[in-house]
Amino acid sequence: EVQLVESGGGLVQPGGSLRLSCAASGFTFSDHYMDWVRQPPGRGLEWVGRSRNNVKGYSTSYGASVKGRFTVSRDDSTNSVYLQMNSLKTEDTAVYYCARTFYFGSGTVSLFDSWGQGTLVTVSS
Amino acid sequence: QSVLTQPPSASGTPGQRVSISCSGSNSNIGGDYVYWYQHLPGAAPKLLIYKTNQRPSGVPDRFSGSKSGTSASLAISGLRSEDEADYYCAAWDDNLSGVVFGGGTKLTVL
Repeated sequence: EVQLVESGGGLVQPGGSLRLSCAASGFTFSDHYMDWVRQPPGRGLEWVGRSRNNVKGYSTSYGASVKGRFTVSRDDSTNSVYLQMNSLKTEDTAVYYCARTFYFGSGTVSLFDSWGQGTLVTVSS
Repeated sequence: QSVLTQPPSASGTPGQRVSISCSGSNSNIGGDYVYWYQHLPGAAPKLLIYKTNQRPSGVPDRFSGSKSGTSASLAISGLRSEDEADYYCAAWDDNLSGVVFGGGTKLTVL
C-alpha cells in the first residue's frame, strides 16, 4: 500500500524559513516523480513544485508564486522528498500535501495518483 | 484566478446524473491529459480520473471523464450522498511549464 506522510509544518514568521519532509513507503520511490501541492484556507488546490526521477536527471520545476523561494529535493536512499521554503509570506499559509506522480517508464506520467494527509504551515507574526 | 475554469458549485438529487465542466486552452487541456480529484474536508484529495477518461481501480464506474478540444467534463451518474465533496480538474500546461488546477467545484447532494 502506498503511504505518504508529511511532517515539519508549524507556525513561522514572515521572512522565515521552514523545511517540510515527506516519507514514502509501499512503492519503488526512485521510479517516480514527487510533487508538492498546497491548499490555502478556504481556497483551491495549487501546485507548488516537482522533483523528477533519475531518468529525468532529478530535474525540478516550480509554480510561479514560489519560484526562487522554494526548493524541492529528494533522497532516494531514504525514500524521502523535501520542500525547503525560504522568504515565507503570509500568503504561503496553507496545508501542504506531498503527492506521487506515477512515471510509466515510457516517458508518460499520471499526475498525483497518491497523496499524503497534509501538514499545515502558518505564516504569521 | 485559476488557469482552468470550473463552475464554483453544482448540485443534484440522489440518483441523478451531474456533470462538472473544466475549461482551459491549447497549452493545457487542448494538448495534454486531464485529471480529476475528489476532495473531502480534512482528507487527502483522491484521484478519480486519470489520462482524461481512465478510472483507477476502486473508483466506481459511476464516475467518467471526457474531453473535447480545450474543455473537459466529469460526469457522475447515480448520485449518492457520499459524493458530496469538492472536485478539481488539473492538467500540465506547456506555456507555464507546470501543473494547473481548476478553482474547484463544490458538489451538493440535495
